[in-house]
Amino acid sequence: GVTQSPTHLIKTRGQQVTLRCSSQSGHNTVSWYQQALGQGPQFIFQYYREEENGRGNFPPRFSGLQFPNDSSELNVNALELDDSALYLCASSQKLGAGGYTFGSGTRLTVV
Amino acid sequence: QKEVEQNSGPLSVPEGAIASLNCTYSDRVSQSFFWYRQYSGKSPELIMSIYSNGDKEDGRFTAQLNKASQYVSLLIRDSQPSDSATYLCAVNKDNYGQNFVFGPGTRLSVLP
Repeated sequence: GVTQSPTHLIKTRGQQVTLRCSSQSGHNTVSWYQQALGQGPQFIFQYYREEENGRGNFPPRFSGLQFPNDSSELNVNALELDDSALYLCASSQKLGAGGYTFGSGTRLTVV
Repeated sequence: QKEVEQNSGPLSVPEGAIASLNCTYSDRVSQSFFWYRQYSGKSPELIMSIYSNGDKEDGRFTAQLNKASQYVSLLIRDSQPSDSATYLCAVNKDNYGQNFVFGPGTRLSVLP
C-alpha cells in the first residue's frame, strides 16, 4: 500500500517541514492533499514520472519531489498556523485514473 | 458555487435501513466520479467509482450518476453500524488527474 511518515508532527510557526510518502509499487502518479478538520481533502499538487503535473491553489512555499523509487516528499516552508492539517499522499497506477489509494496521512500541528 | 457539494449531515439512519448520500458538481465536463469512505482519524478509502449515466452496484452499495443534472448519489442498503463514517464524493474533471476535486463529505451515523 501507500505509507507515510511521520504519522504525527508538531512544528513551530516559521519552521520548515518535510513529509514523506512511499507509493504503492508500480504506481507512477502521486498526489498530495491537505485535509483540515471537518473538510474534504484539498488538492496540493500531483507528480507523474518525477515531474509536477498539476497544482492546486497553494502558495509556492508548498513544494514537492518524486523519486524514481516510488517515493515522494512534500516540503512546506515558513509554516503558518493554518497549515495545521492532515496531509494525505495518494498514488495511482495510471495518470488520470482517479481511483487513488491513500496513505494513512501525517497529522501536522503548527504552534 | 463550490465545485462539489454535499450535505454535511450528520445523516442518521437505523440499522438495516437504506442510507442515501447525495452529491452535486458544477463543472459539466467532469469525467468520472468516486465515493470514498473515511472513518474518524483515518484516511479515505475508495468504495465506488462510476463513469457513465445510470446505476452501478457493488454489494450493498449502489452509485447513481445523472450527468444532465450534475448529480451523483450513493445508496447503502442494509446499513450497519460499521458503515458509520464520513462519505466523500470526488469528481475527476479531466483525464489527467490534477483536477480531482473532493466534496466536504457527509457524516453518516447508523444507529443500532
